[in-house]
Amino acid sequence: DADVTQTPRNRITKTGKRIMLECSQTKGHDRMYWYRQDPGLGLRLIYYSFDVKDINKGEISDGYSVSRQAQAKFSLSLESAIPNQTALYFCATSDERTGMRSEQYFGPGTRLTVT
Amino acid sequence: KQEVTQIPAALSVPEGENLVLNCSFTDSAIYNLQWFRQDPGKGLTSLLLIQSSQREQTSGRLNASLDKSSGRSTLYIAASQPGDSATYLCAVNSISSGSARQLTFGSGTQLTVLP
Repeated sequence: DADVTQTPRNRITKTGKRIMLECSQTKGHDRMYWYRQDPGLGLRLIYYSFDVKDINKGEISDGYSVSRQAQAKFSLSLESAIPNQTALYFCATSDERTGMRSEQYFGPGTRLTVT
Repeated sequence: KQEVTQIPAALSVPEGENLVLNCSFTDSAIYNLQWFRQDPGKGLTSLLLIQSSQREQTSGRLNASLDKSSGRSTLYIAASQPGDSATYLCAVNSISSGSARQLTFGSGTQLTVLP
């Protein structure tokens, strides 16, 4: 079984709809991240969480919100989806106990299309 | 602000060739650098992680080098195979990101190995 899973894997939704993307991990890591990838661009950080009580905005947080329901679960919400949020979304985890040596592990991604 | 550049954007080689992928970054104050492989529909797979104090890392046919002072890293793939065809991403964990451990990604090199 994969260490970092994301649901759904693909989603098509309409402008203005609320949508939630979910991420679960079995690695026991304390840190979780949400990134988005647009064609021809690298991944950009949306939000990150150090633990259940610590949520932080990343580079491109506008239009998004997150919830860390448990150490193993981190969800990303689009309150009112718009077409330029069409992208590939990745969840990642890392273990802060390894400090600055920490490696990030990625889920398989969710392809979101907003029409 | 850290910027990461990967050249070339695309590369096509015949099977069996040795090849080098390049990554450059603007801020040499980094914790580490990570090379990923991205396959369509399968997310990102971490290939190698080089800490700032290291010069290179090896895994099988892959060798990654780091020259922090010049802001450059290379990924060397020996005896390329069609199964190596994928997009290769370089990501830098900058000291300026602080405790966020935010990765800054390049836009990737799309590699095609021809049988």
